[in-house]
Amino acid sequence: AQRVTQPEKLLSVFKGAPVELKCNYSYSGSPELFWYVQYSRQRLQLLLRHISRESIKGFTADLNKGETSFHLKKPFAQEEDSAMYYCALGGYNTDKLIFGTGTRLQVFP
Amino acid sequence: GAGVSQSPSNKVTEKGKDVELRCDPISGHTALYWYRQSLGQGLEFLIYFQGNSAPDKSGLPSDRFSAERTGGSVSTLTIQRTQQEDSAVYLCASSPHRDRTEAFFGQGTRLTVV
Repeated sequence: AQRVTQPEKLLSVFKGAPVELKCNYSYSGSPELFWYVQYSRQRLQLLLRHISRESIKGFTADLNKGETSFHLKKPFAQEEDSAMYYCALGGYNTDKLIFGTGTRLQVFP
Repeated sequence: GAGVSQSPSNKVTEKGKDVELRCDPISGHTALYWYRQSLGQGLEFLIYFQGNSAPDKSGLPSDRFSAERTGGSVSTLTIQRTQQEDSAVYLCASSPHRDRTEAFFGQGTRLTVV
């Protein structure tokens, strides 16, 4: 079965502080991991995917198959990063896309 | 249209009534997903379509929920005999092809059952 766990419902930091949003997954096949973001009053949108290995808006995430994790990191948080972040799990043998419960990031000035 | 469109944006209905929620995916997108977003529950998977087929309906909460997709395009999510616990934002997303793709989301339908 596919499962995504985001243990933190809320993460609050001050501007300039490092941020790490945790995501762990469970999947028997070859996983594909994503981070989606929902800013206030906007649609849910893709932030980054593990296969791209890119940095978007200063965020990076590395797939660790040994620890079954895909944590989202940013060295210096900005106020505009405040949003709801969802980790999502797909797979190479499935079209099903499963989301975690989300983590609300609050960045204070 | 440029994006995924859902209608209505808001729906208030009385307990026990049936409701239909509509999703217009991006043209040419073969995969279509329905999710339910509730406070504290995150994004709950309901069902997805590949073309007109629904390989996985395991997320539908009860037999009061059903969905269909016609012509590989528009999808309708129907909730019969609505209950107060059905109140949530229902999100639709579509993606262009199988595997490892970006899901594009609609703005959602906020359903309130009174």
